[in-house]
Amino acid sequence: QSALTQVASVSGSPGQSITISCTGISSDGGGYNYVSWYQQHPGKAPKLMIYDVSRRPSGLSSRFSGSKSGNTASLTISGLQAEDEADYHCASYTSTRNWVFGGGTRLTVL
Amino acid sequence: QVQLVESGGGAVQPGGSLNLSCSVSGFTFSSFGMHWVRQAPGKGLEWVAFIRYDGNNKNYTDSVKGRFTISRDNSKNTLYLEMNSLRVEDTALYYCARVVAKTLDYWGQGTLVTVSS
Repeated sequence: QSALTQVASVSGSPGQSITISCTGISSDGGGYNYVSWYQQHPGKAPKLMIYDVSRRPSGLSSRFSGSKSGNTASLTISGLQAEDEADYHCASYTSTRNWVFGGGTRLTVL
Repeated sequence: QVQLVESGGGAVQPGGSLNLSCSVSGFTFSSFGMHWVRQAPGKGLEWVAFIRYDGNNKNYTDSVKGRFTISRDNSKNTLYLEMNSLRVEDTALYYCARVVAKTLDYWGQGTLVTVSS
């Protein structure tokens, strides 16, 4: 399974909404609903933000949401805040019982 | 609280070996599958290996098959990664992570492996 495809960078102003896409999600039953998103600040470990395409871990802000259409998953962040500036990585379980990550997207809050 | 602490990283020459450990606390280790994930400097995350909660099922990414071995000792709450025949391209920060229903939910802070002559 090749790495998932993410745009290298996105930017937005405080209060705006942005969407990060992740292409190449397996279309068969193996990984179709097992898409997750991770936030990573510089020098820090990844933090789970979205799992199973659109579910949020307990306590996570509702400003973060996930969706999927066809072979593309998306992470949307609404009401951008300065602390949202970070790298965002998508991941998927695959039909070959492995896991695959995207290349990561750097979010800049202008 | 859930904690994962990696150790064992360091500098090694190509062809050398290293053994990484991940000591966990705050949850019942023997009930959860575990992963190793790596991140080369300035790059994205790359899944490396998975081991089932009982150690009876292991998966590896193609580039490390035959060179890396994932294992665990549930009595010591510790996950391991034995790395042999190391290559320059194995240089990365290695994270251990817990898995719940196909999702990596908690991650350690990572241990740095540098392969260079």
